[in-house]
Amino acid sequence: AAGVIQSPRHLIKEKRETATLKCYPIPRHDTVYWYQQGPGQDPQFLISFYEKMQSDKGSIPDRFSAQQFSDYHSELNMSSLELGDSALYFCASSLGVSFGNTIYFGEGSWLTVV
Amino acid sequence: AQSVTQLDSQVPVFEEAPVELRCNYSSSVSVYLFWYVQYPNQGLQLLLKYLSGSTLVKGINGFEAEFNKSQTSFHLMKPSVHISDTAEYFCAVSGDSIKDACNKLTFGGGTRVLVKP
Repeated sequence: AAGVIQSPRHLIKEKRETATLKCYPIPRHDTVYWYQQGPGQDPQFLISFYEKMQSDKGSIPDRFSAQQFSDYHSELNMSSLELGDSALYFCASSLGVSFGNTIYFGEGSWLTVV
Repeated sequence: AQSVTQLDSQVPVFEEAPVELRCNYSSSVSVYLFWYVQYPNQGLQLLLKYLSGSTLVKGINGFEAEFNKSQTSFHLMKPSVHISDTAEYFCAVSGDSIKDACNKLTFGGGTRVLVKP
């Protein structure tokens, strides 16, 4: 079965640069979530989109922005990168935003800021 | 606000022995509970979930979990582990709250399971 696809899988950027991560949800899924997992930490919710509109916002820095496009894929844009942004970024998707719906995760994009 | 506590950060266990990973949550509203597994350098894979009904939930790979509302717990168990079960396990909760705009997960700190031969 098709899963959540994230690209790139690995990315190395320098401080103050910009990075863009892409996410392709499971076909027919209309909801996308972004999570950040720092080294040795649990995943933290950043932001979510339902039907191309932002549905909820978590601990996403102002330097980051995201959107969901008409084909339901999503992009996370990170600017003025800092060393602390180095993390594993997960995209996840679900069918609808109803509480309890199963959220399926991609394999993540490793961002290293040097 | 919801929170999830995984009481053990690491659990070493011998192959074919049973394992129990403890998870407690706090929430002022109804919750939905999940266990995810993360194998080294991989994403999060759903093991099982509790939404309602029977408090004993069976998942993939021989895992099961028991929801205990009075104890606010959702412990994960496997009667006999394999080397391939070496991974990090995350308990997560999503809740039905007017403060939450949508379904999202709050994770516990994770429990690293190391299965020894």
